[in-house]
Amino acid sequence: DAKTTQPPSMDCAEGRAANLPCNHSTISGNEYVYWYRQIHSQGPQYIIHGLKNNETNEMASLIITEDRKSSTLILPHATLRDTAVYYCPTGANSKLTFGKGITLSVRP
Amino acid sequence: DAGVIQSPRHEVTEMGQEVTLRCKPISGHDYLFWYRQTMMRGLELLIYFNNNVPIDDSGMPEDRFSAKMPNASFSTLKIQPSEPRDSAVYFCASSRTGMGETQYFGPGTRLLVL
Repeated sequence: DAKTTQPPSMDCAEGRAANLPCNHSTISGNEYVYWYRQIHSQGPQYIIHGLKNNETNEMASLIITEDRKSSTLILPHATLRDTAVYYCPTGANSKLTFGKGITLSVRP
Repeated sequence: DAGVIQSPRHEVTEMGQEVTLRCKPISGHDYLFWYRQTMMRGLELLIYFNNNVPIDDSGMPEDRFSAKMPNASFSTLKIQPSEPRDSAVYFCASSRTGMGETQYFGPGTRLLVL
């Protein structure tokens, strides 16, 4: 499974878009990119995933570069409740490898 | 659906005691995962099952740890004997199938070994 790296933290203003980066330069062709978030000590919550194409759902958008070595999670209108640690594990055959994640702080 | 259910939510025990953590996956899910989360090591996959059969236990730290899945609706993670370094939050997750499927996490069991 690919190792993922992210900046340790970032912040954004409430109501603005939050763009969270992830590097997965060693990803293999059959590995998906997933995004999860963890609020306080709750269990990680699924956000979105993709293989090659960009994806969008009611929570967020996922942009994957053409070479698949990096991706960006976009929260279009961040709220205070989006403050959390965001992870971008990759995986194939069910197994996910989580990195250290990026702490997003949304400020009023 | 109630989601993934874990019990107990909190466990405090003394070094050397046996600890059993329990998990009920979402009905219809074929895969079950056990993770451990600590500040030092982050979120680590310990073991996962497919249709009640252990597929990969390479993340199990040592022989003191064992996991079973006697049926599709129940799994246990046992630590015997427990040590202070086992203190962590243990998460169970389940998914419908393997590749490309979402894993749904339970609320976790916070374990403290004194």
